[in-house]
Amino acid sequence: QVQLQESGPGLVKPSETLSLTCTVSSGSIGDYYWSWIRQPPGKGLEWIGHIYYSGSTNYNPSLKSRVTISVDTSKKQFSLKLSSMTAADTAVYYCASFDFRGFDYWGQGALVTASS
Amino acid sequence: EIVMTQSPATLSISPGERATLSCRASQSVGSNLAWYQQKPGQAPRLLIYGASTRATGIPARFSGSGSGTEFTLTISSLQSEDFVVYYCQQYNNWPPAYTFGQGTKLEIE
Repeated sequence: QVQLQESGPGLVKPSETLSLTCTVSSGSIGDYYWSWIRQPPGKGLEWIGHIYYSGSTNYNPSLKSRVTISVDTSKKQFSLKLSSMTAADTAVYYCASFDFRGFDYWGQGALVTASS
Repeated sequence: EIVMTQSPATLSISPGERATLSCRASQSVGSNLAWYQQKPGQAPRLLIYGASTRATGIPARFSGSGSGTEFTLTISSLQSEDFVVYYCQQYNNWPPAYTFGQGTKLEIE
């Protein structure tokens, strides 16, 4: 059973960069695509992007210009950076695993607020 | 972008009844469709993938059907813990641009 845990600051100033890390435990980092998904308070889910253990990435076209996802296989971690944060980026950010059957394992989520 | 539209937004229904939730894609996604359940304060949980295959540990009262652009999630006999929010999601594109529906909330009538 794969377990995922997000970590990072819960408050980011507008115009600055969000940085989150997801740690993978009890599973092989080579088995899945590793995704970031976000959910603004009271709203629906939005896929941000994913990375394979090889470093290959795909991003949501609507966020592509501001997103970078990276992986550190030695630490079994993958990370999200979202630049030029605004209030509209305030959301719970989830990391999740994807294997072409859907997102089957999720972290508990990290609330990140863009505010000065 | 493939737009996923769920209906209804809210379904008022009684425990023990059968619930039917709909999801429509703006273009064909084949059978590359998943359903998720989300309880308040929790991450979504995968219920169904491949439009009709239950994920591990999901009770048999949950079933999925459909292909192409029209999909249905059926909950055969509602339990109290089922009155939460459900999302559909397509994963048909490559390169991927996975998209979710806006959700259907089940509420007790």
